[in-house]
Amino acid sequence: EPEVTQTPSHQVTQMGQEVILRCVPISNHLYFYWYRQILGQKVEFLVSFYNNEISEKSEIFDDQFSVERPDGSNFTLKIRSTKLEDSAMYFCASSEPGTGQSPLHFGNGTRLTVT
Amino acid sequence: GQNIDQPTEMTATEGAIVQINCTYQTSGFNGLFWYQQHAGEAPTFLSYNVLDGLEEKGRFSSFLSRSKGYSYLLLKELQMKDSASYLCAVRMDTGRRALTFGSGTRLQVQP
Repeated sequence: EPEVTQTPSHQVTQMGQEVILRCVPISNHLYFYWYRQILGQKVEFLVSFYNNEISEKSEIFDDQFSVERPDGSNFTLKIRSTKLEDSAMYFCASSEPGTGQSPLHFGNGTRLTVT
Repeated sequence: GQNIDQPTEMTATEGAIVQINCTYQTSGFNGLFWYQQHAGEAPTFLSYNVLDGLEEKGRFSSFLSRSKGYSYLLLKELQMKDSASYLCAVRMDTGRRALTFGSGTRLQVQP
């Protein structure tokens, strides 16, 4: 069964550094998402992406964050200057085109630790 | 604001049936999803409801009442591997694809 893949699985970085989290969505999916989950808390929406542009974003997704689809397969999340509170599991997801009943399919996540 | 409420924790016995409730108060509604999440892993899709009524999928069923803003996930013949968090998520309207998640219900299945 096709799946969303994310790299790296773990990333440790120092406060103030830039990080790029990478995702390869399922190949025939057209909608892409980033979510985060702080340890012990709920899954929070960051941003969705369709047709090479951001279609929705949350208040969490401020100017420190950006997303890109640099080629036909990858989808990246960049955090420009990491803060301690950015430590979380970051999940990429994708969904099919078509009706609103399409579920989101999640990758296994990147655990980001900011020290 | 958007509110999706679930019990924090539940405990049940192997072989039994458990019902996990979810209530929502959202500005719009275009479907409710249930996901399973094992500790440290990704959420995996279980079920979807957009119309009132019951959807059955093997040992798992999900019910929706739009007028009450209420859903439940029913798990039958519980197995130890069903110990996980169960996440209720709402898609707000037809123009949006993203899901808004509740805090999840941690289910512990005991022998």
